[in-house]
Amino acid sequence: EAGVAQSPRYKIIEKRQSVAFWCNPISGHATLYWYQQILGQGPKLLIQFQNNGVVDDSQLPKDRFSAERLKGVDSTLKIQPAKLEDSAVYLCASSLVPTTGLINEQYFGPGTRLTVT
Amino acid sequence: GQQVMQIPQYQHVQEGEDFTTYCNSSTTLSNIQWYKQRPGGHPVFLIQLVKSGEVKKQKRLTFQFGEAKKNSSLHITATQTTDVGTYFCAAHYGFNKFYFGSGTKLNVKP
Repeated sequence: EAGVAQSPRYKIIEKRQSVAFWCNPISGHATLYWYQQILGQGPKLLIQFQNNGVVDDSQLPKDRFSAERLKGVDSTLKIQPAKLEDSAVYLCASSLVPTTGLINEQYFGPGTRLTVT
Repeated sequence: GQQVMQIPQYQHVQEGEDFTTYCNSSTTLSNIQWYKQRPGGHPVFLIQLVKSGEVKKQKRLTFQFGEAKKNSSLHITATQTTDVGTYFCAAHYGFNKFYFGSGTKLNVKP
């Protein structure tokens, strides 16, 4: 079974530039998550999709971050314009649709390491 | 907002010693998951705890969920160098609200 795919693996941009990350979840996983993991910290959930609908985006800085999952499969996360504090690893994860009251095991991709200079 | 505290931040042990990391919440959890992240890697799911007082074992790893469902622990018996990494809890508060702890970084000296 193929895992969660992410690209690019590394990206270096200057502040105020734009950047986009791509994620392809495990086949059949309706739930997709984007996380930001700053060095030395735990992953912070940015947005959660179920199929092509947003379940939770309460921690997404909407003035500069956007995400979409138009066909309910792969997803794109965009930052525009980037700030120095956006330097982090951006992780995508997917899971089966949660059972009521629970969340399922999340499968993480390798992440995209973003450096903003 | 709801946050989960994880301690300690770092733990350095000699191979063969035991290791424990704790997650604590001020409010009741729906369930909790544990993940391991190797250096340079991505988080990998270890286990999920759902019931009050639940205890689960995986070889040398023992996971516990508190009676009040506000805390959890991961204990590793007789650590090995392959246990090196950062261990995260992910606390689920229901209604699709969950938060990862800050992690405990384990270093094992051979």
